[in-house]
Formats: sequence, C-alpha cells, structure tokens
Amino acid sequence: VHLVESGGGLVQPGGSLRLSCAASGFTLSNTWMTWVRQAPGKGLEWVGRIKTKRDGGTADYAAPVKGRFSISRDDSKNTLYLQMHGLDTEDTAVYYCTTYYGDDDGWFDTWGQGILVTVSS
Amino acid sequence: YELTQAHSVSVALGQTARINCVGNNIGSKIVHWYHQKPGQAPVLVIYRDNYRPSGIPERFSGSSSGNTATLTISRAQAGDEADYYCQVWASTTAVVFGGGTKLTVL
Repeated sequence: VHLVESGGGLVQPGGSLRLSCAASGFTLSNTWMTWVRQAPGKGLEWVGRIKTKRDGGTADYAAPVKGRFSISRDDSKNTLYLQMHGLDTEDTAVYYCTTYYGDDDGWFDTWGQGILVTVSS
Repeated sequence: YELTQAHSVSVALGQTARINCVGNNIGSKIVHWYHQKPGQAPVLVIYRDNYRPSGIPERFSGSSSGNTATLTISRAQAGDEADYYCQVWASTTAVVFGGGTKLTVL
C-alpha cells in the first residue's frame, strides 16, 4: 500500500489549492479514504473522509473546513483529491492522505508521507 | 469531546511504558493509537482498543475502561521513542485526537 501526496505549496490567504493523493498497491475503489493535517509543531487534526461509491460516495468534514474544503475521488485514476478554498493562515499544515477502515468508528491505517501547505502573504 | 494526554512520559530501557488518554467515558468508545517519529508520517500501532496491525510488535498493547485508555509498551526500546496519539470518533462526523505524548526511553 502506497500513498503519495502532491500539489502543496505556498498560497495567499483567501486562495485555493488542490491536493492529490496517488494510491497504489490496493484497490482504491474498495477503500474509504481520509485527509488528516498537522500544523507545524502541533498535533493531528482530522480534515474529512470519503466513502466508497458502493457505500454512497459521500464525504464528511471537520467543522473548521466544512464549506471550504471538498474531498473527491477518481477511482479510475487511483487518485484522491482535496480541494481547498478560502484558505487561511490557520490552514497551514502538512496534509496527509490515509486509507480508512472500520466504518463509523474506524482508524487511519496507511498514511502518505504528507505534503506541506503554507498559507501566507 | 476532548482527549487529554500527558505531554511527556519517560521510561527506562527495557521497562514498561504506559501512555494514558483521558476522555469522558472513553471506555464506551473505540480507541486507536498512532506513533509518529520526527519528520515522519504517523503510523497506526493499535486499532479497535487492542488490535495490532501487522508489523507492530507484541510489546504494544491497548486497553480502555472508564475515563482512561492506555497504550502499554513492554520492554521499551530506544526505537520506541516517538510521539503517541490516541484517537476516537466523538460523533459520526467528528474525529478527536489526543494532544500527543512524547515518549522518551532513558
């Protein structure tokens, strides 16, 4: 199982950015996926998760990002996405994509190496 | 819902380390644990309270009761030094992580 994030970088406050997560070594279409972030020197913060299309394909989001962030998936490309709008300095963090198991009480199983997003003017 | 962890825990080499995660009635929730070494991504070490993923040594175990969940590391090794995080679902749309405990092996 291998996850590789890309698309990070420096963005101005109020800007947008789309992260990608390339998945390999497992069947993405059968797997719920999530994004977790970690601000510099801080702890872990869940961003959101997306279910498989078989389970409805819906996404749930943490309160701080709801309405600004959107998770999507392209199983044909083995890729997970995180579209971020209205970015604030508080969104500066390393963003990890993870596989997710365990339905509504589940865990973050395999993590990518992370990608840094810096929101600054 | 909040999870509270001690900022740091120290253990002598070869001894047993216990890392606590305190939350209201956490014993009724399913707890997962991760460790994170400097500059690396987190790694799952315990899921569903006390199950070990493949590749995690039997020295790692978990338990939960009342208001405290505990990650126990037996025969601590230098390579166990890391930040350890507990995690639960507070609701169907809210994941909560503990603040993390830095484990030092002396």
